[in-house]
Amino acid sequence: GAGVSQTPSNKVTEKGKYVELRCDPISGHTALYWYRQSLGQGPEFLIYFQGTGAADDSGLPNDRFFAVRPEGSVSTLKIQRTERGDSAVYLCASSTGTLTSEQFFGPGTRLTVL
Amino acid sequence: GENVEQHPSTLSVQEGDSAVIKCTYSDSASNYFPWYKQELGKGPQLIIDIRSNVGEKKDQRIAVTLNKTAKHFSLHITETQPEDSAVYFCAAKKLSNMLTFGGGTRLMVKP
Repeated sequence: GAGVSQTPSNKVTEKGKYVELRCDPISGHTALYWYRQSLGQGPEFLIYFQGTGAADDSGLPNDRFFAVRPEGSVSTLKIQRTERGDSAVYLCASSTGTLTSEQFFGPGTRLTVL
Repeated sequence: GENVEQHPSTLSVQEGDSAVIKCTYSDSASNYFPWYKQELGKGPQLIIDIRSNVGEKKDQRIAVTLNKTAKHFSLHITETQPEDSAVYFCAAKKLSNMLTFGGGTRLMVKP
């Protein structure tokens, strides 16, 4: 079956611009997660959705970052006034939502801010 | 919050040898410990996981051990093959759903 998909696979933008990154989770998965992975490091948690609501957004670095999941399926991560330090791979994962259920990761979106 | 340390950062082994990667965690409330394999340009893929009520788990050539008292867990890969070459990440999770990852280990298996 289809796994987690993310679009675009690569995004190059200029400092100060606005970007949107999209995640399509596995069908039926109620939980959705965003992580950010800098070069040579492990993924870092950003935000977690259970259904339509953000259950934990403690990992968002500042108010330039925002994510939505209006219908409990597709999610969009939005970054305003991008900075060079935002350059990273943004990973999305989904799971059935139980406390020890496996998180399935997408291939990520590589964001480069020039 | 939780902190996960992973060692070594790079590991080179000869094909057929064993590889061991170790992680420590800081929060005794963590109860779920997955291991992920990440190949270049791809997202992490779960290879094995262990829950806090189990001390060891094995799946073919891969095994994971957990020492709750010492707060450390390890990944063991036996009879390594070139296709095992990748970056491996350990992670820990508490009741919340967020995973805290280690810094990764680049495993290179030389034919």
